[in-house]
Amino acid sequence: GENVEQHPSTLSVQEGDSAVIKCTYSDSASNYFPWYKQELGKGPQLIIDIRSNVGEKKDQRIAVTLNKTAKHFSLHITETQPEDSAVYFCAASFGNEKLTFGTGTRLTIIP
Amino acid sequence: GAVVSQHPSRVICKSGTSVKIECRSLDFQATTMFWYRQFPKQSLMLMATSNEGSKATYEQGVEKDKFLINHASLTLSTLTVTSAHPEDSSFYICSAPSDGGQPQHFGDGTRLSIL
Repeated sequence: GENVEQHPSTLSVQEGDSAVIKCTYSDSASNYFPWYKQELGKGPQLIIDIRSNVGEKKDQRIAVTLNKTAKHFSLHITETQPEDSAVYFCAASFGNEKLTFGTGTRLTIIP
Repeated sequence: GAVVSQHPSRVICKSGTSVKIECRSLDFQATTMFWYRQFPKQSLMLMATSNEGSKATYEQGVEKDKFLINHASLTLSTLTVTSAHPEDSSFYICSAPSDGGQPQHFGDGTRLSIL
């Protein structure tokens, strides 16, 4: 089955700087890669996703890049703000099948 | 946007009690819903796939007699933790996929504490 690794496990960034979180996946058949933000005591919220027919996707301060050959994808957050502090999870799936989640990154934005 | 509602948000009960958690898709129909379990500072672990009108599919190592799943309608799935014990204490989260399968939308979770 699919295995998703995520790094780093914790990340502290000065407010206004950029944050990058990286994930690798094992199953070359996976073709859907979402990123979720989870705040304390809440369920995950989708922040951006990318499908395998696209190499990069951007939504305001958030971007995701995908390298199918290397089987890795990354989340980029620019101009970080205190409200970006949360735990971020990457995930992978094939089509409409179940998601396999990474281990999570606790992002702390330092004011 | 698509909304998934989960109820209750928190349950505290005595050992041996059975607890039911509801997951509803509020503005879309979901023939499939997913149930996850999350321990503190850990990732989401898929427990089972709930299928409307048929039996749930459980992941390896998840006891189907312990965690009963019923998907009675296109907008409601329930997870019942039977005869709960302290080791069942965890954060339980459901999700439902949008029309076409992705993305999945998550409920806000249920924190279950068994005394």
